[in-house]
Amino acid sequence: DAGVIQSPRHEVTEMGQEVTLRCKPISGHDYLFWYRQTMMRGLELLIYFNNNVPIDDSGMPEDRFSAKMPNASFSTLKIQPSEPRDSAVYFCASRLPGTKRPYEQYFGPGTRLTVT
Amino acid sequence: SQQGEEDPQALSIQEGENATMNCSYKTSINNLQWYRQNSGRGLVHLILIRSNEREKHSGRLRVTLDTSKKSSSLLITASRAADTASYFCATDPNNAGNMLTFGGGTRLMVKP
Repeated sequence: DAGVIQSPRHEVTEMGQEVTLRCKPISGHDYLFWYRQTMMRGLELLIYFNNNVPIDDSGMPEDRFSAKMPNASFSTLKIQPSEPRDSAVYFCASRLPGTKRPYEQYFGPGTRLTVT
Repeated sequence: SQQGEEDPQALSIQEGENATMNCSYKTSINNLQWYRQNSGRGLVHLILIRSNEREKHSGRLRVTLDTSKKSSSLLITASRAADTASYFCATDPNNAGNMLTFGGGTRLMVKP
């Protein structure tokens, strides 16, 4: 089975542009997480979904960030408008339902975002 | 803010030596996990230790947990060049496996 798939792997955009990051979780996983990793702040949880429903978005930095999960196999993280301080690696992760090995999260390869 | 803080931030050893990384955290936890991140890749889960456990083994990995000191250690025995990576501890205060808080990581370099 394929792991968590993220696209694009690299994104370079200009300040003020809209950026959309995409994630396909592992089939059968009903939890999906979005993280951001920077040198200054480390790895931060932004938002997570359970059964396509956002459960906790307290880590979303500000209103410029939004995330959706229209179905069990697809999620997006959108930044509009983007700013240079949004430059980071964004990871998507998923995990099995709580009854099956509930604690292990599977990470995608990440999207490296550079905002100039 | 980061819940876990790893120590040291960077570690360089020779192949065959043991590598020990430490993690300290601030609040009560139900379990603590260790992850590995190879350069340019996502994190990979290594091992989980519950708050009522003191030590756990998995292959060449040994994890200890001292809840009284709010600290954990990860020992990699007989290290290999392929162990070169960053290692992160993650705390799970709610025992739900969701609101993980990661430390800053230890960058391990194993020289062949």
